[in-house]
Amino acid sequence: DVKVTQSSRYLVKRTGEKVFLECVQDMDHENMFWYRQDPGLGLRLIYFSYDVKMKEKGDIPEGYSVSREKKERFSLILESASTNQTSMYLCASSLGVKNTGELFFGEGSRLTVL
Amino acid sequence: AQSVSQHNHHVILSEAASLELGCNYSYGGTVNLFWYVQYPGQHLQLLLKYFSGDPLVKGIKGFEAEFIKSKFSFNLRKPSVQWSDTAEYFCAVIPNRDDKIIFGKGTRLHILP
Repeated sequence: DVKVTQSSRYLVKRTGEKVFLECVQDMDHENMFWYRQDPGLGLRLIYFSYDVKMKEKGDIPEGYSVSREKKERFSLILESASTNQTSMYLCASSLGVKNTGELFFGEGSRLTVL
Repeated sequence: AQSVSQHNHHVILSEAASLELGCNYSYGGTVNLFWYVQYPGQHLQLLLKYFSGDPLVKGIKGFEAEFIKSKFSFNLRKPSVQWSDTAEYFCAVIPNRDDKIIFGKGTRLHILP
């Protein structure tokens, strides 16, 4: 089974802190994604990557950056956390050159910014 | 803009009732269609998918969905729900000319025992 592991399930940070969310997948998938999930808004794509060192902006990239130095690892960075970034963050991966839509998700990282 | 609409945000049913969750999309070309499910405390997982062929697709746990191209719809159905079906359900679309998957806003299903 594909496993997507997010390093932190729960985080509490203060406004202005730098936050790292780590995601590792163990199935050699080319594609990796970061979403945020908010009640009533569904899943919104923050950033995605189709290859090492490659990144593309999703629908809501403002206030976020990403890093993909290794194929299995995709990190989401909040340079200066703000209260409106309190959310559940989901990492996902998929196989293939292009996105087939068969995403494998991690269990999520619930971030609270005070 | 391309979008995916799920008609019901919150559905409450009793066990053994039949279920139909609506999903419509706005893209006019060829699409790939999906339903994902998130059980309480668990990760999102694929329930079923449609790429081509028979428009009636069957997924895990007795769920099925029907693609009706003329209605731009991909409704999820289950003839008899169980308490364990309590979850949030997301419809998703990939327009074949695009790379990004577009999710609906989700439907929270609550099954009363």
